[in-house]
Amino acid sequence: KQEVTQIPAALSVPEGENLVLNCSFTDSAIYNLQWFRQDPGKGLTSLLLIQSSQREQTSGRLNASLDKSSGRSTLYIAASQPGDSATYLCAVRVTGGGNKLTFGTGTQLKVEL
Amino acid sequence: DAGVIQSPRHEVTEMGQEVTLRCKPISGHNSLFWYRQTMMRGLELLIYFNNNVPIDDSGMPEDRFSAKMPNASFSTLKIQPSEPRDSAVYFCASSLANQRGSYEQYFGPGTRLTVT
Repeated sequence: KQEVTQIPAALSVPEGENLVLNCSFTDSAIYNLQWFRQDPGKGLTSLLLIQSSQREQTSGRLNASLDKSSGRSTLYIAASQPGDSATYLCAVRVTGGGNKLTFGTGTQLKVEL
Repeated sequence: DAGVIQSPRHEVTEMGQEVTLRCKPISGHNSLFWYRQTMMRGLELLIYFNNNVPIDDSGMPEDRFSAKMPNASFSTLKIQPSEPRDSAVYFCASSLANQRGSYEQYFGPGTRLTVT
């Protein structure tokens, strides 16, 4: 059974700092990995999707990497801003698992002024 | 596009009552997912449909839960009878396999259910 872990569970950084969020998964046979952002009381917003054949994806200040063999992904946020404060979740789609996503428990990020 | 639409946004009901949650996926998407999110268990997949057909309902907690997708633009999740432990935020998501088969999922705003 695929298990997805995110460390740390919570993170507080000063504005302007570069930071890295971690995601690890136990079954490396994945089809893709998706990073989401969730604001309090809101739904999930898709940030980046990395196919299993890709090493990284970039969108603006965000860069996600994938190392399938070691079961790890990182989300790098450059020059963090208070507006980046949210919970960040990663989710994997397992090969042969249909369209199912298995989610991590999330990292709650707070960027302080 | 308006994105995934869910209704109601908030629902408060008494134990034993029937609850129906509704979802309209993004037009043209061919997969629809129902999730439940709680502090204790995080985000869990309940059931998903491909082309209106239920594919995997292994996450449905028990027979009190049922889901239907009568057409490509509408789905319901019903709880009958409801119990306090069903209190959670219920999300609907939809996706479309593009030419690269990415299956990126887009989420609705959720329905916050409180059963007293």
